[in-house]
Amino acid sequence: AQSVTQLDSHVSVSEGTPVLLRCNYSSSYSPSLFWYVQHPNKGLQLLLKYTSAATLVKGINGFEAEFKKSETSFHLTKPSAHMSDAAEYFCVVSPVKAYSSASKIIFGSGTRLSIRP
Amino acid sequence: EPEVTQTPSHQVTQMGQEVILRCVPISNHLYFYWYRQILGQKVEFLVSFYNNEISEKSEIFDDQFSVERPDGSNFTLKIRSTKLEDSAMYFCASSEGGRSISYEQYFGPGTRLTVT
Repeated sequence: AQSVTQLDSHVSVSEGTPVLLRCNYSSSYSPSLFWYVQHPNKGLQLLLKYTSAATLVKGINGFEAEFKKSETSFHLTKPSAHMSDAAEYFCVVSPVKAYSSASKIIFGSGTRLSIRP
Repeated sequence: EPEVTQTPSHQVTQMGQEVILRCVPISNHLYFYWYRQILGQKVEFLVSFYNNEISEKSEIFDDQFSVERPDGSNFTLKIRSTKLEDSAMYFCASSEGGRSISYEQYFGPGTRLTVT
């Protein structure tokens, strides 16, 4: 079975300091992993994705994530937080590769990121 | 940039009524999905759809739910007899699939359904 665990329900950092949002996954297959962001009253926007190419993945808005198979982790980081980064972040696993039939993706419970001025 | 659109943005309905939530996926995408997010909870998979049939559905997707692609552009979710617990944000998503590696799912802005 596939699952994803976001270790922190809420993270608060000061503007200009680093951000770390933790995610661990469990998958029977080689997973594809994603981070989505949801700003208040908005839809879900893809931040970045890992699809078995480079283990360090760069996304939009200065975010990046590193796939570590030995630790089954896919933590999201950003060197310097901005006020506009305040949002809900979801780690997502897709257990089935591309070119197969439609595959559901499994969401983590989300981490709310707050930014202190 | 192409995007998934959903209408309406907010739907209020009375318990027992039928509702239809509409989505227009990205035009060259082949796979379509519905998810829901009850307030304060995680996003949950409802159903996936490909080649005019359901590929997979969750336990939530019972006989009260149905999906349809009535024409070449729309993808709808129907709830036959709404219950209070159906109140949630419903997200539509689509992906290229097939032999493309770009199979990430693109989400619409959501429809907030409120059942009273």
